[in-house]
Amino acid sequence: DSGVTQTPKHLITATGQRVTLRCSPRSGDLSVYWYQQSLDQGLQFLIHYYNGEERAKGNILERFSAQQFPDLHSELNLSSLELGDSALYFCASSPTDRNEQFFGPGTRLTVL
Amino acid sequence: AQTVTQSQPEMSVQEAETVTLSCTYDTSESDYYLFWYKQPPSRQMILVIRQEAYKQQNATENRFSVNFQKAAKSFSLKISDSQLGDAAMYFCAYSRNYGGSQGNLIFGKGTKLSVKP
Repeated sequence: DSGVTQTPKHLITATGQRVTLRCSPRSGDLSVYWYQQSLDQGLQFLIHYYNGEERAKGNILERFSAQQFPDLHSELNLSSLELGDSALYFCASSPTDRNEQFFGPGTRLTVL
Repeated sequence: AQTVTQSQPEMSVQEAETVTLSCTYDTSESDYYLFWYKQPPSRQMILVIRQEAYKQQNATENRFSVNFQKAAKSFSLKISDSQLGDAAMYFCAYSRNYGGSQGNLIFGKGTKLSVKP
């Protein structure tokens, strides 16, 4: 158990819908990263938050957005969903004094 | 842009034998970290080993060790005394060091390791 929690574990929805994925980092970790794992694109970085502020953006679509709240949990919002958005979405957290990222169990999103 | 390449989509090893997974990367940065992550069928991403670029000594974690060749931009993982539980997808990853804080991970496409009893 990495100490990072993600909910829900599985999500099945229809095209055009909007969903919210939630992540709670390890206690004390200020950084939260979101990654997408799909069969065709592999593991791709989406976005990084540090202590409530956006630090870096990767290959995140405009239909996707994220935020980190004062209690440090983070949410990834996916809207106008398409079939190609079906993937495993990981959240990872990192302590300030160690260069390691600890991954949550992931949320498997299926868009039908 | 930084890239990570794993040229072996699949590898196989006999139980108790040794196997080496290859990884090369490209970067113009001098301060970075390299990692190997394991992803078993459960899909959980598990950190196996990490290497700081400024350290010449190769990292070792029990049966796992790396061969870090900075000039060649090569970072291979050696698994000794392979066990059935080592069967998984292995990802090589790079992250830049931003003055003590970690940047995002850039992953290779992975190597699927099978362990034969």
